[in-house]
Amino acid sequence: NAGVTQTPKFRVLKTGQSMTLLCAQDMNHEYMYWYRQDPGMGLRLIHYSVGEGTTAKGEVPDGYNVSRLKKQNFLLGLESAAPSQTSVYFCASSSLRGAGELFFGEGSRLTVL
Amino acid sequence: QQPVQSPQAVILREGEDAVINCSSSKALYSVHWYRQKHGEAPVFLMILLKGGEQKGHEKISASFNEKKQQSSLYLTASQLSYSGTYFCGTEASGGYQKVTFGTGTKLQVIP
Repeated sequence: NAGVTQTPKFRVLKTGQSMTLLCAQDMNHEYMYWYRQDPGMGLRLIHYSVGEGTTAKGEVPDGYNVSRLKKQNFLLGLESAAPSQTSVYFCASSSLRGAGELFFGEGSRLTVL
Repeated sequence: QQPVQSPQAVILREGEDAVINCSSSKALYSVHWYRQKHGEAPVFLMILLKGGEQKGHEKISASFNEKKQQSSLYLTASQLSYSGTYFCGTEASGGYQKVTFGTGTKLQVIP
């Protein structure tokens, strides 16, 4: 099993450009998450989903949109990238409410110039 | 709201013990603990559910005080491989599986 796969792993954008990060999991997990990680800030929750067709805001949702059209995929979009969105983005998935281990992808490093 | 971790950083010599604390202002359903090495994804260590249980495997264990909304991670007889950044993640009661993480504790074990 591949587990949780993120694409792309690296991307450089110019301010104002748009892009989509794809997260795919093959474990049939209900719950999926997008986090961003910045030095000294830990992992901050951007958006999450508790099932196909659902999305919800996390701690830092501004400037991002998400979609969960298929259970196995969770897309994170940046409509108009800003330098403040330079970060490492992690996707994670889980099967059980509260008691479920989070399985993380390898991360996507995004630089906005 | 992110849980608060302490200390922010700690340096240990091999064989020494350490405690990392995590506290929340909200009533908690569960506490997760993860370790992340530089340039890698976080790796799961353990989950504790409300009820004050304690878990552990080998020399790493944790406790969860539901009444105080606090959890502690105990590392005993530390090894070089324990180096990394430790994160606690919490789900508030009624939190719909929204797991929020603390800012991390950087642990360095030296020979």
